[in-house]
Amino acid sequence: DIVMTQSPDSLAVSLGAGATINCKSSQSVLYSSNSKNYLAWYQQKPGQPPKLLVFWASTRESGVPDRFSGSGSGTDFTLTISSLQAEDVAVYYCQQYYSTPYTFGQGTRLEIK
Amino acid sequence: EVQLVESGGGLVQPGRSLSLSCTGSGFTFGDYGVNWFRQAPGKGLEWVGFIRREAYGVTTQYAASVKGRFTISRDDSKSIAYLQMDSLKIEDTAMYYCTTETGSGLSDYWGQGTLVTVSS
Repeated sequence: DIVMTQSPDSLAVSLGAGATINCKSSQSVLYSSNSKNYLAWYQQKPGQPPKLLVFWASTRESGVPDRFSGSGSGTDFTLTISSLQAEDVAVYYCQQYYSTPYTFGQGTRLEIK
Repeated sequence: EVQLVESGGGLVQPGRSLSLSCTGSGFTFGDYGVNWFRQAPGKGLEWVGFIRREAYGVTTQYAASVKGRFTISRDDSKSIAYLQMDSLKIEDTAMYYCTTETGSGLSDYWGQGTLVTVSS
């Protein structure tokens, strides 16, 4: 199984400041035949299902604000929020869909400082 | 608007069975695979299994923790996917979510979830 490890576990950021969440996979999720990283980022607010933010490691889902961006390749990935808004308070998960069992990071709780 | 609605959750005793449904609307259900995930109270997300669309042979795969106990099926004529859960254990207690699956494994649309509580 591919183990996904996020850092930090929690993060407190001031409104308008940037936030960075890291995700590391135990093996590469880059599929060589199509050069795509099978890595997604989800946002989950209390009492709600996860919401897809980014897929293929860096492609923003339609309707997601452009302050959210994903980067990285192979085994190391980053979700960046450029200017934190109050509505961004949530738990963020990375997930690999390269191979089953599809696995998630443990989650990063983002709060307002 | 794409919608997925899970139903069938509830309180069930250990060792008993429960069947969940995932009803899709706003899209052509048969064009998508379906992933099932779960989330124990206060915990992270766990993949349960998937069922591919007919074009990919309606194949299924399961997490090791549920293999042999859970079965996923689908009825595209009704736009419904099912998760049959047998021999339930206390550790199966969780919110269960279904999602559309794009063919590459990616889950884009999620339902609101249905809560399964396994307790005596």
